[in-house]
Amino acid sequence: EAQVTQNPRYLITVTGKKLTVTCSQNMNHEYMSWYRQDPGLGLRQIYYSMNVEVTDKGDVPEGYKVSRKEKRNFPLILESPSPNQTSLYFCASKIQARGEQFFGPGTRLTVL
Amino acid sequence: AQSVTQLDSQVPVFEEAPVELRCNYSSSVSVYLFWYVQYPNQGLQLLLKYLSGSTLVKGINGFEAEFNKSQTSFHLRKPSVHISDTAEYFCAVTSISGSARQLTFGSGTQLTVLP
Repeated sequence: EAQVTQNPRYLITVTGKKLTVTCSQNMNHEYMSWYRQDPGLGLRQIYYSMNVEVTDKGDVPEGYKVSRKEKRNFPLILESPSPNQTSLYFCASKIQARGEQFFGPGTRLTVL
Repeated sequence: AQSVTQLDSQVPVFEEAPVELRCNYSSSVSVYLFWYVQYPNQGLQLLLKYLSGSTLVKGINGFEAEFNKSQTSFHLRKPSVHISDTAEYFCAVTSISGSARQLTFGSGTQLTVLP
């Protein structure tokens, strides 16, 4: 089954404790992105990647890092999480510029 | 830079009534336009998209949208809604120029269908 998977689905952590949210897709898509969803703000793009080793900032990149060492994986790294990064995070992928984005199920992160 | 405005944050409507969810965008270049739906506790699913050609676009679940370039709008419509259409709907835009990398979403419209 074609899908985007994220782990973990739920995470509660404390300020400053480094964490990684994994994202993997099995559709051989070149493009991958991370979004955060906050009430009243919709989805805002954090980072995106056009292919292996090619990444760029989205609208809200501060406090986040990404890497794209393999085509299928696009982990999101929070080196020193803060409470304002409490949010619902979505990973997405698409095959080309005009293609449909496929979204993962989301990761609900709480930073205390 | 591009932006999307969804004019209504909440739209309550009775079952079998028609509905229109409004979306306006701003961009200095030509754009592709999308509508996504998010059911409770789920990810986003594509409803429909406008890339080029006919300005009336039909999507899944009986939804359609019309691209109006002069008014920079892409309103979503359904002639008769069902309880199962209750969800949050997001309009999104990406520029045609370059590689269309950055997808910008509106703040969302919660559609609640009442029995």
